[in-house]
Amino acid sequence: GDSVTQMEGPVTLSEEAFLTINCTYTATGYPSLFWYVQYPGEGLQLLLKATKADDKGSNKGFEATYRKETTSFHLEKGSVQVSDSAVYFCALKRRALTFGSGTRLQVQP
Amino acid sequence: NAGVMQNPRHLVRRRGQEARLRCSPMKGHSHVYWYRQLPEEGLKFMVYLQKENIIDESGMPKERFSAEFPKEGPSILRIQQVVRGDSAAYFCASSVQNPFDGNQPQHFGDGTRLSIL
Repeated sequence: GDSVTQMEGPVTLSEEAFLTINCTYTATGYPSLFWYVQYPGEGLQLLLKATKADDKGSNKGFEATYRKETTSFHLEKGSVQVSDSAVYFCALKRRALTFGSGTRLQVQP
Repeated sequence: NAGVMQNPRHLVRRRGQEARLRCSPMKGHSHVYWYRQLPEEGLKFMVYLQKENIIDESGMPKERFSAEFPKEGPSILRIQQVVRGDSAAYFCASSVQNPFDGNQPQHFGDGTRLSIL
């Protein structure tokens, strides 16, 4: 069946550092891929998406590229801010979403 | 334009009681999904419904759990005879149509935190 694997957290960075959160998936065919962000006590917000191979999703300085050859969708940001502190979930979509276990990001001033 | 509305935000029940969680999808959305998030874990799909129909309940426990999405009113996730292991955050999401379309993302509510004493 489908599955998503994310790097374990927490990831602790200083403000303005470069961020990478790894995500790989196992699925047949070419599902759509998503990154969601969850702030404390809130629901999930869609951060970015890519629907086919080589697509790059981007939003609020975050980027991720759909890599079919490596079945990956790594999240990157060039310069993180304290306000980026949250839990980040990678997911793939058929009809419903299959989520990774989440990666907590802590950005220190 | 209200988003997905879930209530209550927090629900406390004693073992053996019933829990009812409500979800009103975004305006114009006719597809509803329920997910469960255990502490420090990702979300796990439970059930997918359209108006008056359960489309996919492959993630639902076979006993005590049920879901509905009536023609009028919110979707309801019902848990009978709750146990400690049911303590979790339950999230509802909705989408416009065609759930296989990757360009139609699911929009999430803020969840209901269920605590079982």
